[in-house]
Amino acid sequence: QQPVQSPQAVILREGEDAVINCSSSKALYSVHWYRQKHGEAPIFLMILLKGGEQKGHDKISASFNEKKQQSSLYLTASQLSYSGTYFCGTEILGNTDKLIFGTGTRLQVFP
Amino acid sequence: NAGVTQTPKFQVLKTGQSMTLQCAQDMNHNSMYWYRQDPGMGLRLIYYSASEGTTDKGEVPNGYNVSRLNKREFSLRLESAAPSQTSVYFCASSGWGVRTDTQYFGPGTRLTVL
Repeated sequence: QQPVQSPQAVILREGEDAVINCSSSKALYSVHWYRQKHGEAPIFLMILLKGGEQKGHDKISASFNEKKQQSSLYLTASQLSYSGTYFCGTEILGNTDKLIFGTGTRLQVFP
Repeated sequence: NAGVTQTPKFQVLKTGQSMTLQCAQDMNHNSMYWYRQDPGMGLRLIYYSASEGTTDKGEVPNGYNVSRLNKREFSLRLESAAPSQTSVYFCASSGWGVRTDTQYFGPGTRLTVL
């Protein structure tokens, strides 16, 4: 049930863009995105709901393809503060109240 | 507002010992969760409590028990610790489930079982 994230790691220079993908084998109601810095707790970035509603960060965007059960996180004009590991959490249709997280994508932004 | 607090922050156990990880939230949230995080494995759900008085198994419940003591507190117990339970444990809470609510995570407990 664990969603698959790609790529596993990304290295960027400041100002470059990145896309992180999340794919599930199950029908989804929502996809959540979190970022975790080393040694810290994950923090919320964004929720994407079935039907297209999106809630979250105004400097990071995302999409949710309900038919393919895929979500993508778009990081544009990356900043040093974007460095960390990004996790998608999936809410499976009919299996609510909990998230199943992917294995993470490590993003490093250099000056 | 302290948010989600966890105790202890660090713990070293010997194989076979027992311990309880404590979690409390002051946001009046209904739902609470326990995750473990291992390198390369992401966050895996151990147990969760959708509301006070209910608990359910997650992806990796074996070797653990939980208690939803009241609306604020949700504890995780290891009855007989094993080296495979060496991990970082995160507690999280959300207003009501995950449908439209973000989860707020505690700072984590780093557990080593020798």
